[in-house]
Amino acid sequence: DGGITQSPKYLFRKEGQNVTLSCEQNLNHDAMYWYRQDPGQGLRLIYYSQIVNDFQKGDIAEGYSVSREKKESFPLTVTSAQKNPTAFYLCASSVAGGRETQYFGPGTRLLVL
Amino acid sequence: QKEVEQDPGPLSVPEGAIVSLNCTYSNSAFQYFMWYRQYSRKGPELLMYTYSSGNKEDGRFTAQVDKSSKYISLFIRDSQPSDSATYLCAMKDDKIIFGKGTRLHILP
Repeated sequence: DGGITQSPKYLFRKEGQNVTLSCEQNLNHDAMYWYRQDPGQGLRLIYYSQIVNDFQKGDIAEGYSVSREKKESFPLTVTSAQKNPTAFYLCASSVAGGRETQYFGPGTRLLVL
Repeated sequence: QKEVEQDPGPLSVPEGAIVSLNCTYSNSAFQYFMWYRQYSRKGPELLMYTYSSGNKEDGRFTAQVDKSSKYISLFIRDSQPSDSATYLCAMKDDKIIFGKGTRLHILP
């Protein structure tokens, strides 16, 4: 089955710790995205990548980092610089970074211990 | 004025009723319009995708776009308890903008 997978489903971060969220897609999509969802605030774009080995900051990139070494993978690292990381993180992909619509993974909920 | 506005709800309707969900927007350059359904603690699922103005029907769902009024709607006929979710509108020109979502409760 084609789709987007995210792991883990739940992730706990200790103070000062970096954590990495996994996103994998087998849809052969060129573009991938990371969003953060907080109650009442909708979806906010963190980073996006339109092609392998290239990515751009979204609206709230501070405290996050990404890599795009393979077309199917776009991991997100939440660094210790992100002071309010508790949120629901969603990965999405699209055929290209232009007008095509986005398809979402199941999400990862990050909680701070 | 926000780029996309969507009433957060919650909207509660009895089972079998017709549901109307709406979004307004300010950017006349938007050409692509989408509706996503998101169940609690799950990722959004694409429901409807419409280009420019007009109506599009898929089963019990109808998406309507009125570009002259900058207004889009999603109608759900014969609503079911399984339709209870948050519905996000989204619009796109060179980038996609999401509404904050409307929480819908279908009462059995």
